[in-house]
Amino acid sequence: QVQLVESGGGVVQPGRSLRLSCAASGFTFSSYGMHWVRQAPGKGLEWVAVISYDGSNKYYADSVKGRFTISRDNSKNTLYLQMNSLRAEDTAVYYCAKGVFEYQLLYDAFDIWGQGTMVTVSS
Amino acid sequence: QSALTQPASVSGSPGQSITISCTGTSSDVGGYNYVSWYQQHPGKAPKLMIYEVSNRPSGVSNRFSGSKSGNTASLTISGLQAEDEADYYCSSYTSSSTLEGVVFGGGTKLTVL
Repeated sequence: QVQLVESGGGVVQPGRSLRLSCAASGFTFSSYGMHWVRQAPGKGLEWVAVISYDGSNKYYADSVKGRFTISRDNSKNTLYLQMNSLRAEDTAVYYCAKGVFEYQLLYDAFDIWGQGTMVTVSS
Repeated sequence: QSALTQPASVSGSPGQSITISCTGTSSDVGGYNYVSWYQQHPGKAPKLMIYEVSNRPSGVSNRFSGSKSGNTASLTISGLQAEDEADYYCSSYTSSSTLEGVVFGGGTKLTVL
């Protein structure tokens, strides 16, 4: 079945780095834009970044621009989020999510979500 | 990016209808028909309920409907059921002179009395 499985979360000190992964299965990964969305404990959803189906276009939220990098490996059906210079306010559950429409980037919604991976930034 | 504005909470009795509003600006909700709605139960991942203002994905009950007027989008749930109790989030494509991306509302907690 269509599935997204995130991994790579954990506890990290402020200023350090972490890389999240999202393994996709059950659909043609290389045809869809993919997103990262996060949710701080007890808070609402916050969109983080999007990458186009072929990796050629990327957009970021202001809060992570310059610190986070989204990437993908279509040969491995895997999405990544490289997080550098982490701050306490980056503490959240990070979800990867699939776009509804093939070849879309931002004119889209998120129809499949992973179970999330928790990132805690603390000294 | 400023979050879209949603009421913090709404409530209704089983069988009733409720509406959750989502107010933005002409740079997001009012300017584009790319508004989506998500349902999230505690400890679970969000679930897509409505996309492109009023379209329901396959498998979503027709008790859920979406609409938009100006800068405000709305999600209506008719025939409320106990399992509808959850948090609901709207989102929209956003584009301004300095930013392009996706913005979410702050979320609305629906209580079924």
